[in-house]
Amino acid sequence: GESVGLHLPTLSVQEGDNSIINCAYSNSASDYFIWYKQESGKGPQFIIDIRSNMDKRQGQRVTVLLNKTVKHLSLQIAATQPGDSAVYFCAENISGGYNKLIFGAGTRLAVHP
Amino acid sequence: ETGVTQSPTHLIKTRGQQVTLRCSSQSGHNTVSWYQQALGQGPQFIFQYYREEENGRGNFPPRFSGLQFPNYSSELNVNALELDDSALYLCASSLGMERDYKKQFFGPGTRLTVL
Repeated sequence: GESVGLHLPTLSVQEGDNSIINCAYSNSASDYFIWYKQESGKGPQFIIDIRSNMDKRQGQRVTVLLNKTVKHLSLQIAATQPGDSAVYFCAENISGGYNKLIFGAGTRLAVHP
Repeated sequence: ETGVTQSPTHLIKTRGQQVTLRCSSQSGHNTVSWYQQALGQGPQFIFQYYREEENGRGNFPPRFSGLQFPNYSSELNVNALELDDSALYLCASSLGMERDYKKQFFGPGTRLTVL
């Protein structure tokens, strides 16, 4: 079913460390995935995307890994900075349907100096 | 390149009233989707407009309706407001049936409070 997250898990990291944020997606028919960053009071900001025919994609300081066998997605942030503090959402799009995104519950990333 | 814009930023209404929220899509994008985000939750899909037609709808009642205009801007209308309609309303635009059409870019949202 669609995700409803009442309790937001928090990942606390030290500045400069690498962060790994995990996401379990719901539908095996999903063929496209996006990670968004949302700061307080703002809309979600696109970070990186990946199609289901890939298992890894890299951007600037970020890497997304996709494991279709266990329906798992992760976002790795290298050298985490205070500006990375935000809530991170994964979203999936189901193949063959219209362009609807189904969002995960979100993870709060707190970066400490 | 102009990003997605939404208006107003904040809005306070009372139960039973009606509200209209507005969205201008990112330059070159012809598809607009609306999402509702309750506090502490991920966005929930309301509906999508492509070429001025509703292209898909989530699990929201008919009192949630929308429009898309020839310039691809869009409106979300909510009638008979209920307290549970209090949320951040997000608009996202994408390239329709073009390559990368699934990549959606969000606006800053409209914070609606229903009293």
